[in-house]
Amino acid sequence: EAQVTQNPRYLITVTGKKLTVTCSQNMNHEYMSWYRQDPGLGLRQIYYSMNVEVTDKGDVPEGYKVSRKEKRNFPLILESPSPNQTSLYFCASSPGLGNEKLFFGSGTQLSVL
Amino acid sequence: AQSVAQPEDQVNVAEGNPLTVKCTYSVSGNPYLFWYVQYPNRGLQFLLKYITGDNLVKGSYGFEAEFNKSQTSFHLKKPSALVSDSALYFCVPNLYGNNRLAFGKGNQVVVIP
Repeated sequence: EAQVTQNPRYLITVTGKKLTVTCSQNMNHEYMSWYRQDPGLGLRQIYYSMNVEVTDKGDVPEGYKVSRKEKRNFPLILESPSPNQTSLYFCASSPGLGNEKLFFGSGTQLSVL
Repeated sequence: AQSVAQPEDQVNVAEGNPLTVKCTYSVSGNPYLFWYVQYPNRGLQFLLKYITGDNLVKGSYGFEAEFNKSQTSFHLKKPSALVSDSALYFCVPNLYGNNRLAFGKGNQVVVIP
């Protein structure tokens, strides 16, 4: 089944403790992206990747890192999480952007205490 | 820069009545237009898209949308709403070569039994 898999589904952590949210897709998509969703602010793009070893900042990249060593994986890294990064995170992939649709993961609810 | 306006924060409709979710966009050139839906506690799902051709586009779950170039609109419609259509709906314009999608806040649809 074609899908985007995010893990974990829920995560509670403390300020400053490094964490990684994994994202994997099995559709051989070139484009992958991370979003965060906050009440009243909608979905905002954090980082995106056009292909292996090609990543770029979205609208709210501060405090996040990504890597794209393999085509299928696009982990989101929070080196030193802070409470303002408490949010619902979504990973998405697409064959390429433009006229192609995005496939979304189920989301990761992160709480930073 | 691209932007989208979904003028009503929340759309309330009685079950069985027609459902319309409005979208107007501000994008230079000829955009691709997408509608996505987010059901409670789920990731976003693709509903339909307009690329070119017929202005009336049919999508999943009985939804359709009409592209109106002169009014720069892409309103989502369903002839008879179901309670299960209660969700958050996002209108997303994009341009060829653009890698940063603007999702905005979306429209909350509440279908009243």
